Amino acid sequence: QVQLQQSGAELVKPGTSVKLSCKASGYTFTSNHMNWIKQTTGQGLEWIGIINPGSGGTSYNVKFKGKATLTVDKSSSTAFMQLSSLTPEDSAVYYCARSVRGITSYVMDAWGQGASVTVSS
Amino acid sequence: DIQMTQSPASLSASLGETVTIECRASEDIYNGLAWYQQKPGKSPQLLIYNANSLHTGVPSRFSGSGSGTQYSLKINSLQSEDVASYFCQQYYDYPTFGSGTKLEIK
Repeated sequence: QVQLQQSGAELVKPGTSVKLSCKASGYTFTSNHMNWIKQTTGQGLEWIGIINPGSGGTSYNVKFKGKATLTVDKSSSTAFMQLSSLTPEDSAVYYCARSVRGITSYVMDAWGQGASVTVSS
Repeated sequence: DIQMTQSPASLSASLGETVTIECRASEDIYNGLAWYQQKPGKSPQLLIYNANSLHTGVPSRFSGSGSGTQYSLKINSLQSEDVASYFCQQYYDYPTFGSGTKLEIK
């Protein structure tokens, strides 16, 4: 079955960076785009961006340009998101989510378990 | 950005009842709308896409409808396992989500 296994919780200091991972299994990694989504109690769900694992092509929410960088490692079927210049406002749960094929890249039919990031000194 | 206004923010209903959750888009999204269910402590799960298409494996008591800027999710014969938060998401433009509806059993 399709699984997206995300890396664990992170406690990081302001001004630093963090790199989250999302290992895919149960399907052909390059056949579906991968989205990243931020969830907070205050702001709800926010779409960060999307990557095509086959080509490496990316598209970002303008709000997260310069904040998030999406990459993949096809050899290990793993997607990554690096968040830079972290502030307390970046504290959230971050999800990777696979795009459905054949409808649109922005409908997500499988989600990772989420990775909590806490930014605090 | 297309803004999604979701209502109500919370909802309490009895087992077996029918409930409806609404989402209004700030402009026409041409049925580019999905609904997700998020159970406590879990990740969101896709229920509906293209406003009214049921995702594989989703019980038929869930249904979606609407057009233009107004969309709704209906849950018939409410079950205890339906306790969750529900989110709409438009994908006509870059994705944006509604603020969620927390559904509880009365």
